[in-house]
Amino acid sequence: AQSVTQPDIHITVSEGASLELRCNYSYGATPYLFWYVQSPGQGLQLLLKYFSGDTLVQGIKGFEAEFKRSQSSFNLRKPSVHWSDAAEYFCAVGPYSGGGADGLTFGKGTHLIIQP
Amino acid sequence: GAVVSQHPSRVICKSGTSVKIECRSLDFQATTMFWYRQFPKKSLMLMATSNEGSKATYEQGVEKDKFLINHASLTLSTLTVTSAHPEDSSFYICSAGGPRGSGEPLHFGNGTRLTVT
Repeated sequence: AQSVTQPDIHITVSEGASLELRCNYSYGATPYLFWYVQSPGQGLQLLLKYFSGDTLVQGIKGFEAEFKRSQSSFNLRKPSVHWSDAAEYFCAVGPYSGGGADGLTFGKGTHLIIQP
Repeated sequence: GAVVSQHPSRVICKSGTSVKIECRSLDFQATTMFWYRQFPKKSLMLMATSNEGSKATYEQGVEKDKFLINHASLTLSTLTVTSAHPEDSSFYICSAGGPRGSGEPLHFGNGTRLTVT
């Protein structure tokens, strides 16, 4: 069965500093990997996704993520965070790019706190 | 871009009553919709998968008679929490995707905060 591990429950970063959120996955086949962001009381917004090809993917809001098959990782990065980036971040893995018989499996999330 | 609309955003109901939550895909045909439940400070738990025109597939431990799912069209799925109890209070989120292999990633609604008093 697939699983996603986000080892950091909370991360505090100063505004303007760089950010890396870790994500490790376990999946028996070629995974489709996603990062979502959730603001309090809101749904999830897709930041970026990896299906195939270039292992460094660019997303919205200046985020990027790198797929490393050998490490089963898909870490999210941003070179300079803004106060508006404070939110909950979820890594997810799924068998397909969308639809299909299986939903996504989510990690437990990383709560990002931005210090002024 | 694609948008999924979920309604209502908040609902308070009395114990024993039923509540219906709607999930609509606004600009694409969602052959599959997923319903998630999110507990405080927890990740999203997949409750069920609904395919248009067929019965929903429920995850282990989810009561299908309590959480009724209907996916009557390619743009609408509903979740009805029947005979709600305080322990059903939670944040429910739907998501919708296109056909398998379509390249359309899952899009999520903004969630429904259910409070059962």
